[in-house]
Amino acid sequence: DAGVTQSPTHLIKTRGQQVTLRCSPKSGHDTVSWYQQALGQGPQFIFQYYEEEERQRGNFPDRFSGHQFPNYSSELNVNALLLGDSALYLCASSSGGASDSYNEQFFGPGTRLTVL
Amino acid sequence: GQQVMQIPQYQHVQEGEDFTTYCNSSTTLSNIQWYKQRPGGHPVFLIQLVKSGEVKKQKRLTFQFGEAKKNSSLHITATQTTDVGTYFCAGTGFNKFYFGSGTKLNVKP
Repeated sequence: DAGVTQSPTHLIKTRGQQVTLRCSPKSGHDTVSWYQQALGQGPQFIFQYYEEEERQRGNFPDRFSGHQFPNYSSELNVNALLLGDSALYLCASSSGGASDSYNEQFFGPGTRLTVL
Repeated sequence: GQQVMQIPQYQHVQEGEDFTTYCNSSTTLSNIQWYKQRPGGHPVFLIQLVKSGEVKKQKRLTFQFGEAKKNSSLHITATQTTDVGTYFCAGTGFNKFYFGSGTKLNVKP
């Protein structure tokens, strides 16, 4: 039983470019959340997808967008990259629950994005 | 801004000593989760607390959720070198999910 997988593992982009990160949830999970983790910081919640819709969103600009597919996999897109977008991007999967309740989340290994 | 604060930021202990990290929220939380992240790794779920005043134990780890559901703590008894890592609390409130800034634990053998 595969856990949460993410691709690519590492990525280097330049300012102004666009990037797409991918996540496949753990088998049996239908909810995917995305986080940004800067070096030495805690993960910052970007948004959560459930039933192919964005259910919750953190304090991130519209340059950050996402998508969830019928097979529950998800993509995170970031447009007009800034140097400050350099971080580890983590995907976490869980089972759907009440809107104000979060079940145990399983994290993927992350994608290390470097913006030059 | 982030609503969940965590202290201390760093803790260095001798193997066998106890360790405690504290998590405080400015607002009431629906629940709180604790995660451990090893260096170079990703967060791994430890436990979730939901009820006011709840206390849960996992071997040498004791987790508490405050009566007002605004604070929580993780206590490790007799630390081991395998406990090294960063411990994060994460709370749910106002339909948002917030991670604390983490406490980095270093255990000297």
